[in-house]
Amino acid sequence: NAGVTQTPKFRVLKTGQSMTLLCAQDMNHEYMYWYRQDPGMGLRLIHYSVGEGTTAKGEVPDGYNVSRLKKQNFLLGLESAAPSQTSVYFCASSYEGIGTQYFGPGTRLTVL
Amino acid sequence: AQSVTQLDSQVPVFEEAPVELRCNYSSSVSVYLFWYVQYPNQGLQLLLKYLSGSTLVKGINGFEAEFNKSQTSFHLRKPSVHISDTAEYFCASLRSNDYKLSFGAGTTVTVRA
Repeated sequence: NAGVTQTPKFRVLKTGQSMTLLCAQDMNHEYMYWYRQDPGMGLRLIHYSVGEGTTAKGEVPDGYNVSRLKKQNFLLGLESAAPSQTSVYFCASSYEGIGTQYFGPGTRLTVL
Repeated sequence: AQSVTQLDSQVPVFEEAPVELRCNYSSSVSVYLFWYVQYPNQGLQLLLKYLSGSTLVKGINGFEAEFNKSQTSFHLRKPSVHISDTAEYFCASLRSNDYKLSFGAGTTVTVRA
């Protein structure tokens, strides 16, 4: 099992450009999450999904959109990137709401 | 609202010495508590969790934590650290009503020989 994988690992964007981050899990988990990690702030929840076809807002959803068309994939989109979105993005999945969350290796995004 | 406060941002410690990382939480509903570890340039992995039952929880790599409801704390301890324990440690709480995980700011542990 690969667990949770994220694509790409690194990306540099110019302000105003768009991109999509892909998260895939092979553990048949219902729940999937997107977080961003910034120095001194821990991880903050952007959006999450409790099952295929569902999405919900987390703590810092502005400027991001998500889709969960297939159970194993959770996409995070930035429609018009801003320098404030420079961060490391982590995807996670869990079998149930109180279950252990398993994290991907992260995507380091820089917006110039 | 819920919040997690890690009281130390950096903890330097000598090899084979004990270490304690302090975590306090606040929430208006019941919470479940977790400690995660992040090694350099990697994702997070679970060290241990408290869902219910015994307040002393044992995790991987010799770590343990004690849930103290009256003091709203969940401190992490290891009696003897190794160089390989150098990492960032995150305390997190999960609300029982919406299952959203909130993280503390993290504690960087640096183990020196």
